[in-house]
Amino acid sequence: GAVVSQHPSWVICKSGTSVKIECRSLDFQATTMFWYRQFPKQSLMLMATSNEGSKATYEQGVEKDKFLINHASLTLSTLTVTSAHPEDSSFYICSAYPGGFNTEAFFGQGTRLTVV
Amino acid sequence: DAKTTQPPSMDCAEGRAANLPCNHSTISGNEYVYWYRQIHSQGPQYIIHGLKNNETNEMASLIITEDRKSSTLILPHATLRDTAVYYCIVRIASGTYKYIFGTGTRLKVLA
Repeated sequence: GAVVSQHPSWVICKSGTSVKIECRSLDFQATTMFWYRQFPKQSLMLMATSNEGSKATYEQGVEKDKFLINHASLTLSTLTVTSAHPEDSSFYICSAYPGGFNTEAFFGQGTRLTVV
Repeated sequence: DAKTTQPPSMDCAEGRAANLPCNHSTISGNEYVYWYRQIHSQGPQYIIHGLKNNETNEMASLIITEDRKSSTLILPHATLRDTAVYYCIVRIASGTYKYIFGTGTRLKVLA
């Protein structure tokens, strides 16, 4: 299947700092990318949807000023967690969708963020 | 909200078929059913998807009822490496085609 790469796989940062997570589709162009977060023993929660060159659409309850999403190209989207706090510690997962009605989305391997 | 309901957990003996059910009674006519699985601390892995016909690939089979209100994922010969959380997802049929994850089924394959 197609490959979606997330970087970094894990990161530890201090409270108050910002962290950027990259999501790249390596062998296809992604018309849409999605960002999820997952707490331990819970399901994936959709945070936002981004289309290349457009502003991201955030799910209800997700702070857009807290979680900045940039989708600069058809193969790259970034999520920046601004002014991180310990409660932002979570597993963040991106997904890239190549377009078309009868196709599947592909997921990155996830980024484990720990804020200390 | 997720449009699917799944049992929270199941066990299966190694080498036997694992049958994972999913209810999606509010599915619309042009919405697909997707199955993914997530092994601990990894991103979800695509398994299979279908609209109304049964589907089979090298990983699994997908059986969708005629009224499309439920489906079953079949892993024909489960191995220990199939231990994972399995998610059945009805994909939104318009706009961004986003996936809304439900709670999934935690499948444990027993030796």
